[in-house]
Amino acid sequence: EVQLVESGGGLVQPGRSLRLSCTASGFTFGDYAMSWVRQAPGKGLEWVGFIRSKAYGGTTEYAASVKGRFTISRDDSKSIAYLQMNSLKTEDTAVYYCTRDQDYGALFDYWGQGTLVTVSS
Amino acid sequence: DIQMTQSPSSLSASVGDRVTITCQASQDISNYLNWYQQKPGKAPKLLIYDASNLETGVPSRFSGSGSGTDFTFTISSLQPEDIATYYCQQSYTFGQGTKLEIK
Repeated sequence: EVQLVESGGGLVQPGRSLRLSCTASGFTFGDYAMSWVRQAPGKGLEWVGFIRSKAYGGTTEYAASVKGRFTISRDDSKSIAYLQMNSLKTEDTAVYYCTRDQDYGALFDYWGQGTLVTVSS
Repeated sequence: DIQMTQSPSSLSASVGDRVTITCQASQDISNYLNWYQQKPGKAPKLLIYDASNLETGVPSRFSGSGSGTDFTFTISSLQPEDIATYYCQQSYTFGQGTKLEIK
């Protein structure tokens, strides 16, 4: 059974940093791209960024709203994807979901339960 | 960037009704369109991929159609457990969502 479990969310002050983790199980983690998607309270879904598998270079892409502040990385030996969030803003407050993605096109076929990040002073 | 316009934003229907949601792309996206269901307080779930393919385990009352710029998501006979918000998605862009309620 595929499982994705996010951790690391919480309350953080504007301008500070936070790192989220996504621990995967039930599939060969290294064979897949991984994406992060967020949802602000009462709002819709917003893609944050993704990291390709090593077979596709392990490269990353980001939404314009987070480019330069957020960094996605992966540790295939531990089956974990990370979302490093720096210079956080109040508008980054959201539930952050980790999703399994495809290297050849966006398809989010499995999702974690989400972790809430609240940016507030 | 390709824009996705989903409608309606909300919908109220009775159990047993046929429900239709549309999603329009600002340019031709072939069949690269997926549909998700999000129940309150839960993570989204993939229902339909590549416009018309039903994800494994998803009830057959759900279906999708379309290609190019115009796409449709249909629930053939609405059930109480279908109360959710539905999203279309193309590449890394989601539609605005359709909140479905029981009348």
